[in-house]
Amino acid sequence: AQKITQTQPGMFVQEKEAVTLDCTYDTSDQSYGLFWYKQPSSGEMIFLIYQGSYDEQNATEGRYSLNFQKARKSANLVISASQLGDSAMYFCAMRERQTGANNLFFGTGTRLTVIP
Amino acid sequence: GAVVSQHPSRVICKSGTSVKIECRSLDFQATTMFWYRQFPKKSLMLMATSNEGSKATYEQGVEKDKFLINHASLTLSTLTVTSAHPEDSSFYICSAAPGQGSAYEQYFGPGTRLTVT
Repeated sequence: AQKITQTQPGMFVQEKEAVTLDCTYDTSDQSYGLFWYKQPSSGEMIFLIYQGSYDEQNATEGRYSLNFQKARKSANLVISASQLGDSAMYFCAMRERQTGANNLFFGTGTRLTVIP
Repeated sequence: GAVVSQHPSRVICKSGTSVKIECRSLDFQATTMFWYRQFPKKSLMLMATSNEGSKATYEQGVEKDKFLINHASLTLSTLTVTSAHPEDSSFYICSAAPGQGSAYEQYFGPGTRLTVT
């Protein structure tokens, strides 16, 4: 089974509007971490935001917030006030503590296009 | 944040030749380094995990004799694609962590685009 599922291959948003990128995950581990990365056309992976499974508050980092719904196993990324520079691929990823390792499992990504 | 570099950023090689990609942690000691492969418009797939001074652990389906990984120091890991073929053309990304285990953050390099002609 896929550990990370991103069902939106592509999304469009008007500049200055908010957009939500979906991510669901599958794990039997009680302790895990969820990440969002941005990958512009240049290729580098840019860390955006992190949510720990025991964190009670939704993570926020500037214009990025993570809508963490543990019972639904979802960790959607919300980008507020979209900017043209937000156009990129966005990947959701998970790290499980039970593996004892630092492996990150990535979703298939969502390509976000911000329209002027 | 921590800085990880990769060299070269882009390489074109002929089929049958070998190519080496370097991954360096510039401002921290990387006990663990990871190598990922990304096909066009696809996700990152973990190829192998290497801990300094020990043999790399390869993911299922990754040929260890084809993708040689060396992690000889705490700041450098190399991936050598041996006898490269066009199907090895891909984007290779490394990441580095200052320790083993899930408590340590991974920092990604900028990636290397390999084209095999």
